[in-house]
Amino acid sequence: QKEVEQNSGPLSVPEGAIASLNCTYSDRGSQSFFWYRQYSGKSPELIMSIYSNGDKEDGRFTAQLNKASQYVSLLIRDSQPSDSATYLCAVRGGGNEKLTFGTGTRLTIIP
Amino acid sequence: GAGVSQTPSNKVTEKGKYVELRCDPISGHTALYWYRQSLGQGPEFLIYFQGTGAADDSGLPNDRFFAVRPEGSVSTLKIQRTERGDSAVYLCASSSRLAGAIGTGELFFGEGSRLTVL
Repeated sequence: QKEVEQNSGPLSVPEGAIASLNCTYSDRGSQSFFWYRQYSGKSPELIMSIYSNGDKEDGRFTAQLNKASQYVSLLIRDSQPSDSATYLCAVRGGGNEKLTFGTGTRLTIIP
Repeated sequence: GAGVSQTPSNKVTEKGKYVELRCDPISGHTALYWYRQSLGQGPEFLIYFQGTGAADDSGLPNDRFFAVRPEGSVSTLKIQRTERGDSAVYLCASSSRLAGAIGTGELFFGEGSRLTVL
């Protein structure tokens, strides 16, 4: 089992709709959870961080964390063509400092 | 500096050669990470520094890979006897995070060094 798992996609969503991205992780002691966006040929950039169970909203983005289910998700409301990118889920496990990334989900917003 | 700076942005070398990749982190960031990313994959952890010391080098694939950060700022990733399988984008990231702190730890990435081994 991979430490951080994501559906690789591609995920296609019409412009203006909600895009839902999911991630599961294996280390129950994990403390910190991040979503990064990566455009083709560019480096990852931080979109959201979440550290406790529940929802965290920032503009059009909402991160959701359920530690009991070992599940993290990212919702993007009112999707725009500029949201088309690969979204990387990253988890910092308990007892260590490294950030472990999933393989990423490629999202395409269809105008 | 304003962001994480990596040089060179592109490096083409021949199999068996030695390569050095440099990372200049955000000023004041004590934590520095090296990752490797192959096409279609997420970043793969290589090594983490807190200050001058390598706090976690569990991701280095073998003894051909080595990294240093002698003054706690700039870091160099060194690859000996390069192989074609080493071809990837090598990403450096820095963070103001202190080890063990909860609720912090955002990594800021540089633009990467694309290594091609022929």
